[in-house]
Amino acid sequence: GEDVEQSLFLSVREGDSSVINCTYTDSSSTYLYWYKQEPGAGLQLLTYIFSNMDMKQDQRLTVLLNKKDKHLSLRIADTQTGDSAIYFCAESKSDSWGKLQFGAGTQVVVTP
Amino acid sequence: DTAVSQTPKYLVTQMGNDKSIKCEQNLGHDTMYWYKQDSKKFLKIMFSYNNKELIINETVPNRFSPKSPDKAHLNLHINSLELGDSAVYFCASSSDRVPYGYTFGSGTRLTVV
Repeated sequence: GEDVEQSLFLSVREGDSSVINCTYTDSSSTYLYWYKQEPGAGLQLLTYIFSNMDMKQDQRLTVLLNKKDKHLSLRIADTQTGDSAIYFCAESKSDSWGKLQFGAGTQVVVTP
Repeated sequence: DTAVSQTPKYLVTQMGNDKSIKCEQNLGHDTMYWYKQDSKKFLKIMFSYNNKELIINETVPNRFSPKSPDKAHLNLHINSLELGDSAVYFCASSSDRVPYGYTFGSGTRLTVV
């Protein structure tokens, strides 16, 4: 989407950390999300962060939010082959009836 | 026990035909959505219904008509299919309360030949 941008591809070795970056333009975004899409499947919500937070950790996942720069990142620690997928960043606004604006997705390939 | 289920999973049809995709959710969510994912994986919202009422209708050709018989179902009917309609169509649902985390169906791959 034109309001949310992501790099298209990331290659990472198994066991290393992955960092997927996202930028957004709308400062009124209230929640930001990371979704994972495996081949042939729907999108699965991984985690989300409220816009007044700057970090959220959930097991191997760490979300960092820099609201000033409108930059969101997802770090996956100890990346596994099962983490190979497309990762989508998305934003929502409080007056949008739950409408999510998605980025174009980052294809993550984990190599042994 | 699938939370959001769509049928069919694959749909191959000729140009000019009319087809429907069905979606059902058993999560008790109030809002349902249709998203289109193109060949570059870009996702764009098409429609959203809240308690059977249309609340989001993006710029979508009027050949696409959503129908929500009740809040657990949102179907998508497409008339006069065109080659450019080929895509993966995802149904999703969410509660009315933030953070609006969506639950997606597994998608319907539509191929128009």
